[in-house]
Amino acid sequence: KQEVTQIPAALSVPEGENLVLNCSFTDSAIYNLQWFRQDPGKGLTSLLLIQSSQREQTSGRLNASLDKSSGRSTLYIAASQPGDSATYLCAFQKYNFNKFYFGSGTKLNVKP
Amino acid sequence: EAGVAQSPRYKIIEKRQSVAFWCNPISGHATLYWYQQILGQGPKLLIQFQNNGVVDDSQLPKDRFSAERLKGVDSTLKIQPAKLEDSAVYLCASSVGTTGREQFFGPGTRLTVL
Repeated sequence: KQEVTQIPAALSVPEGENLVLNCSFTDSAIYNLQWFRQDPGKGLTSLLLIQSSQREQTSGRLNASLDKSSGRSTLYIAASQPGDSATYLCAFQKYNFNKFYFGSGTKLNVKP
Repeated sequence: EAGVAQSPRYKIIEKRQSVAFWCNPISGHATLYWYQQILGQGPKLLIQFQNNGVVDDSQLPKDRFSAERLKGVDSTLKIQPAKLEDSAVYLCASSVGTTGREQFFGPGTRLTVL
């Protein structure tokens, strides 16, 4: 059974803080790992995709890293803003499979 | 480019009733996915279509859930009869290719079963 764990389940921080969201998975044979953002009442938006051969990806204030050997990925958000408030989900795909295995998410609240 | 469309956005039914959800993927996307997201959990894949054929329905409760994608475009997901534990958000996603690496998600349908 594939398991994806995200810690913490919820996080509240003041605006401007740098923060780290954690994702761990039990199966190291992954094809890629993605971080998604989910806003209330809306679908998921892909933020960053890390292929299995890569170690990290960056987009603006976001940086995601992948360590397959330890089964971990982290999402780093620099200089957080109230607009970053959302639920962040990590998910991985196994090689040659299309199915995403999702974590349960970290609900982030950035206070002005 | 129009996104993935889903309807209705919200639905409230009594247990043992039937319900159907509709999804229209992004034009040209061959692969369509239905996910179930229970409150506080991540989405779980129910069924995946490649054009109008089923690729993966291993986690679809086939005794009560059914889905079709006639003509390989839009899709419907049906629950008959509904149970309390079916209360969830049902997300539809589509992707261009077969790897499913880039999936575009619709806004979802929130189902409440009373």
